[in-house]
Amino acid sequence: KQEVTQIPAALSVPEGENLVLNCSFTDSAIYNLQWFRQDPGKGLTSLLLIQSSQREQTSGRLNASLDKSSGRSTLYIAASQPGDSATYLCAVRSFSGGYNKLIFGAGTRLAVHP
Amino acid sequence: EAGVTQSPTHLIKTRGQQATLRCSPISGHTSVYWYQQALGLGLQFLLWYDEGEERNRGNFPPRFSGRQFPNYSSELNVNALELEDSALYLCASSLGTGTDYYGYTFGSGTRLTVV
Repeated sequence: KQEVTQIPAALSVPEGENLVLNCSFTDSAIYNLQWFRQDPGKGLTSLLLIQSSQREQTSGRLNASLDKSSGRSTLYIAASQPGDSATYLCAVRSFSGGYNKLIFGAGTRLAVHP
Repeated sequence: EAGVTQSPTHLIKTRGQQATLRCSPISGHTSVYWYQQALGLGLQFLLWYDEGEERNRGNFPPRFSGRQFPNYSSELNVNALELEDSALYLCASSLGTGTDYYGYTFGSGTRLTVV
C-alpha cells in the first residue's frame, strides 16, 4: 500500500531564506509525482509535475527533484517571500489497491515572515 | 483555457438533509475525482469517474454518491448529512485512463457546512 510522508509538518522562516521540503513514498512504482500549493480554505494549485523517468523540474524559484529508487522527492524554494506562505502538498500517482490513484501526503505548512 | 470549476462555493445544510455539489472538468478531460478535506485532516479520496462510469471509490459510506454526465461534468451527492460531513470538497480532472502520465488539475472547492 502506497504511503506518502512529508517532513517537516510545519516550518517558519524569515524572508529570503532558501528552503527544502521533503516528501517520501513507500512504493517506488509510481507514474509521476506532483507538488501542490494550498492557501487556507482554498483549492490546490499545481506547482510542478515530475514524471517517473525525470530527475527534476524547475519553475521560477521552485525546483523539485525525484529519486524514485529511494522513494524521495524534495521541493526547493529559493529566496522565500511572505507570499510563499501556504501548505505544500506532495502527491504520487501510482497503482495501488487495483487502481491508478493520486495519493497525498499530509503537507508542510510554511510561514515566511518579513 | 478554463480550469476546473466547482459550484457552489459555499453550502450550508441542516443535519439529515441532502447536498449536491457540482464540478466541470477542463475541456478534454474525461476523468473526474472527488476528495474530502475535513478541517485539520488530509485529503481523502472519495470517488473517481471516467467516461461516465464510477471507476473507484474510497472508504466512505454509500450515502456519498455521484455521477458523471455525457459532457464529463460530475455531481457529488451526500445524503442524510451528518455534522462530520462538514469539509472542503475538492474536485479534480485529468485525461482519462490510459494516460497515466498526466497530472491532476483541481478546482477551488465547495465548503460544505452542516449545522
